Amino acid sequence: GQQVMQIPQYQHVQEGEDFTTYCNSSTTLSNIQWYKQRPGGHPVFLIQLVKSGEVKKQKRLTFQFGEAKKNSSLHITATQTTDVGTYFCVPFYGGSQGNLIFGKGTKLSVKP
Amino acid sequence: KAGVTQTPRYLIKTRGQQVTLSCSPISGHRSVSWYQQTPGQGLQFLFEYFSETQRNKGNFPGRFSGRQFSNSRSEMNVSTLELGDSALYLCASSLGKENEQFFGPGTRLTVL
Repeated sequence: GQQVMQIPQYQHVQEGEDFTTYCNSSTTLSNIQWYKQRPGGHPVFLIQLVKSGEVKKQKRLTFQFGEAKKNSSLHITATQTTDVGTYFCVPFYGGSQGNLIFGKGTKLSVKP
Repeated sequence: KAGVTQTPRYLIKTRGQQVTLSCSPISGHRSVSWYQQTPGQGLQFLFEYFSETQRNKGNFPGRFSGRQFSNSRSEMNVSTLELGDSALYLCASSLGKENEQFFGPGTRLTVL
């Protein structure tokens, strides 16, 4: 069946270090979305990747979609305490059917 | 535009009772999805409604049900509450399933 694994589940970094979370699917995706949830908050949409090999940047955040559209990554350069939260990748397989899978995400903590 | 609203924000119930949660989506959004979030299981998909029809359903028992009205407002109901139903219930609205989802602040349900 359709499965997505997001790793790592937890990441602790020192402020200023880089951080990367990976999302890997067993089947080809039509597109993928990334969300961030701050502690005590609700998920907030960050970006959607649609094209094979796509790379998008938002300030210190870089999002990539693999050439085979089976994996994606979010990289944060020089983390800040404001980056703390849980990052979720949400895969889409096409069609109106199919459940929305958020999973457990990657929980990032940043030590000042 | 007003964001997604959920009522009530907090709720305390006892085992065996039932509860109804409400979600008002962003104006113009016809898709409403519900999620359960717990520390151990992460963010799990409950169901999605589109134009008053349940389009997708997650892996939850039949005690969890929902509906959507003609104005796109949605309700979810949990009957015969169990201690394990204590969670944050999030509602999200979007133009369509693969569009950006906008989350409400959630309803924190505590079952005693």
